Amino acid sequence: KQEVTQIPAALSVPEGENLVLNCSFTDSAIYNLQWFRQDPGKGLTSLLLIQSSQREQTSGRLNASLDKSSGRSTLYIAASQPGDSATYLCAVLNSGGYQKVTFGIGTKLQVIP
Amino acid sequence: EAQVTQNPRYLITVTGKKLTVTCSQNMNHEYMSWYRQDPGLGLRQIYYSMNVEVTDKGDVPEGYKVSRKEKRNFPLILESPSPNQTSLYFCASSLTGTSNEQFFGPGTRLTVL
Repeated sequence: KQEVTQIPAALSVPEGENLVLNCSFTDSAIYNLQWFRQDPGKGLTSLLLIQSSQREQTSGRLNASLDKSSGRSTLYIAASQPGDSATYLCAVLNSGGYQKVTFGIGTKLQVIP
Repeated sequence: EAQVTQNPRYLITVTGKKLTVTCSQNMNHEYMSWYRQDPGLGLRQIYYSMNVEVTDKGDVPEGYKVSRKEKRNFPLILESPSPNQTSLYFCASSLTGTSNEQFFGPGTRLTVL
């Protein structure tokens, strides 16, 4: 059964700092990996989607990488801002004859002005 | 506007009283899915559907039913709700299951007394 782990569970950084969030998964049989952000009391907003054949995706100050063979993904946030404060979730779409999705529990990020 | 809608947004009910949470998307997406989010457990997939009349169990299907009679709608049915089904529920959709990002609805907060 797929397990997705996100480290750290919480992170507090000063504004302007570059930071890396980690996501690891136990089964490399995936179609893709998606990063989301979730603001308190709100739904999920998609940030980046990486297909299993890709190594990285970029959007603005965000860069996500994927190493499927080692079961790892990172989300790099450059020049963090207070508006980046949220919980960041990664999710994998599993292959192997079905299309289940497994989420990590998330990393709660606080960017201090 | 492209979106996933859920109704109701908030619901308080009593044990055993059947309820339905509706989910609708206007993006002609094939893949739809239901999740529940609980503190410390993250998001867990309840059911998913790869297309009309095709549904399959996620990781926590017990106590829930779904149907996919039309492409745009994917209702979640709790035939006999119990207090352990108190949770925040999200519906999501994607163009196809394997290569496209998921879009999430705003969530339904359900309390079962």
